[in-house]
Amino acid sequence: AQSVTQLDSQVPVFEEAPVELRCNYSSSVSVYLFWYVQYPNQGLQLLLKYLSGSTLVESINGFEAEFNKSQTSFHLRKPSVHISDTAEYFCAVSYSGGYQKVTFGTGTKLQVIP
Amino acid sequence: EAQVTQNPRYLITVTGKKLTVTCSQNMNHEYMSWYRQDPGLGLRQIYYSMNVEVTDKGDVPEGYKVSRKEKRNFPLILESPSPNQTSLYFCASRPLAGPSTDTQYFGPGTRLTVL
Repeated sequence: AQSVTQLDSQVPVFEEAPVELRCNYSSSVSVYLFWYVQYPNQGLQLLLKYLSGSTLVESINGFEAEFNKSQTSFHLRKPSVHISDTAEYFCAVSYSGGYQKVTFGTGTKLQVIP
Repeated sequence: EAQVTQNPRYLITVTGKKLTVTCSQNMNHEYMSWYRQDPGLGLRQIYYSMNVEVTDKGDVPEGYKVSRKEKRNFPLILESPSPNQTSLYFCASRPLAGPSTDTQYFGPGTRLTVL
């Protein structure tokens, strides 16, 4: 069975500082990895995803995540956060190929402090 | 506009009073799913459907029912709600073919309180 661990439930960070949100997964087969973002009072939106190819993936708003197979991690980073990045971030994993059941982590609340 | 809609957005009810939360998508997606979101537990899948008349249990199906009579609709039914079903519910859909098969599209959520 696959699982996802987000150890940090909350991460406070000052505006314009860098941030890393950690995600580790466990799976015995090849996986797809995702980061979803949930802004206050909204549904989840896909932020970025790793399916195959380059292990470094980027989003349009400056976030990036790197797939590290040996460490089974998919940490999310941003070099300089903005107030508008305040949200909850969910890491998710699914098996690659065919129908994929998606398993979500417990979420990390990013609080950007002005 | 491509979207997943849920109704109602907010609902307060009492134990035992049957309720239905509707979900509709206009993207012709085959796959639809219901999740509940609880603090510290993330999203947990309740039921999913691969196509019309094809549904299956997720991780936490107890106390819930679903139906998929039309491709666009996937209602969630609570026959006899209990307080432990107080939660934030999300419907999601995705295609099973094409370039976006890995991406789920989420509705805005339904906040349910069972007294």
